[in-house]
Amino acid sequence: RKEVEQDPGPFNVPEGATVAFNCTYSNSASQSFFWYRQDCRKEPKLLMSVYSSGNEDGRFTAQLNRASQYISLLIRDSKLSDSATYLCVPRSGGSYIPTFGRGTSLIVHP
Amino acid sequence: DADVTQTPRNRITKTGKRIMLECSQTKGHDRMYWYRQDPGLGLRLIYYSFDVKDINKGEISDGYSVSRQAQAKFSLSLESAIPNQTALYFCATSAGEGAYEQYFGPGTRLTVT
Repeated sequence: RKEVEQDPGPFNVPEGATVAFNCTYSNSASQSFFWYRQDCRKEPKLLMSVYSSGNEDGRFTAQLNRASQYISLLIRDSKLSDSATYLCVPRSGGSYIPTFGRGTSLIVHP
Repeated sequence: DADVTQTPRNRITKTGKRIMLECSQTKGHDRMYWYRQDPGLGLRLIYYSFDVKDINKGEISDGYSVSRQAQAKFSLSLESAIPNQTALYFCATSAGEGAYEQYFGPGTRLTVT
């Protein structure tokens, strides 16, 4: 099983919609998680850090389900500018090496 | 000014040529990384360094080498470029213990003909 698995999508939603996608991880020792956003051919940028059961930042909510080993990202009131690829990165241990999945592509249309 | 810079931003080179990609950071981070990204494959780790005297291979290090010249500088070399090394290359940094978020440079688009 891959360390990180994400549905590549694309998720195609209209403006204003609520959309959610999951990231499953294989290492049960993962202690925290990062969601990065990557625009086409640009560098990934940190969107949100999740250190406990979840985190909320404006329209973005991350929820962690340790029992089922997945973390979800919920985006409310989608904007055209939310169109991007969203990358999930779990963290475990002090010498942790970040492992990226392929990401989930989101397209928000008018 | 950007915290993590990469040079060059774009490069076209021929098969067999040696090429160096450079990364500099002003964030004061100890940890630096080199990734490559190919369409549909996500980010794959080439090399990483936890401090100036530490160099480690990532999952796809064959055909690449690195040099950590200083805390702020981490260079990636392709000793003899081949076409399947055509990709988008990213440098990243992180602070390390207690702060693992990564900060990426703008990327270098490399084409090997």
